[in-house]
Amino acid sequence: DAKTTQPPSMDCAEGRAANLPCNHSTISGNEYVYWYRQIHSQGPQYIIHGLKNNETNEMASLIITEDRKSSTLILPHATLRDTAVYYCIVVKAAGNKLTFGGGTRVLVKP
Amino acid sequence: EAGVVQSPRYKIIEKKQPVAFWCNPISGHNTLYWYRQNLGQGPELLIRYENEEAVDDSQLPKDRFSAERLKGVDSTLKIQPAELGDSAVYLCASKKQGPGGETQYFGPGTRLLVL
Repeated sequence: DAKTTQPPSMDCAEGRAANLPCNHSTISGNEYVYWYRQIHSQGPQYIIHGLKNNETNEMASLIITEDRKSSTLILPHATLRDTAVYYCIVVKAAGNKLTFGGGTRVLVKP
Repeated sequence: EAGVVQSPRYKIIEKKQPVAFWCNPISGHNTLYWYRQNLGQGPELLIRYENEEAVDDSQLPKDRFSAERLKGVDSTLKIQPAELGDSAVYLCASKKQGPGGETQYFGPGTRLLVL
């Protein structure tokens, strides 16, 4: 599976949009981009995934660049409960495995 | 719908002692995973089951770790004997079998401290 690169940490203000970048320059055509997050003392939680089109659900939006070498997870109105480690993971379409990196530690401040 | 259930939530043991963790996946989820998460790092896969068959145990340290999923539902992960370096959070996850992605559902984990 392609490797991903994320900033180790970032802060954002409560009520503002949080934009979390992820680089996956070696992604191949049959690989998806998945985002999970892990709130302190909990297991990881699925957020969203996409192949090449932008995706939106009740939790977040996922913007994938046209060349698919990077993506951005957008939390439209960050709340204090969004403080967590966010993981960007590239997964083969026929794969059965999540390979977690270090993720981005997001701190939402009042 | 009940989520993935794990027990115990916390366990403190002395080194060389055995320890076991239990996981009950979401009903209808045929695929079950065990992960280990060291402090400050992302989870690492230990073993994956499809029903009762272990189909990927390449990362399981087989000298001291064992796992079973006898009836294809709940699962047990065992360490015997435990070492200081086994202190970590052990996570269980499940998903529906087959293609369609990697939307895994994780339990809260068991936090193990080996003294």
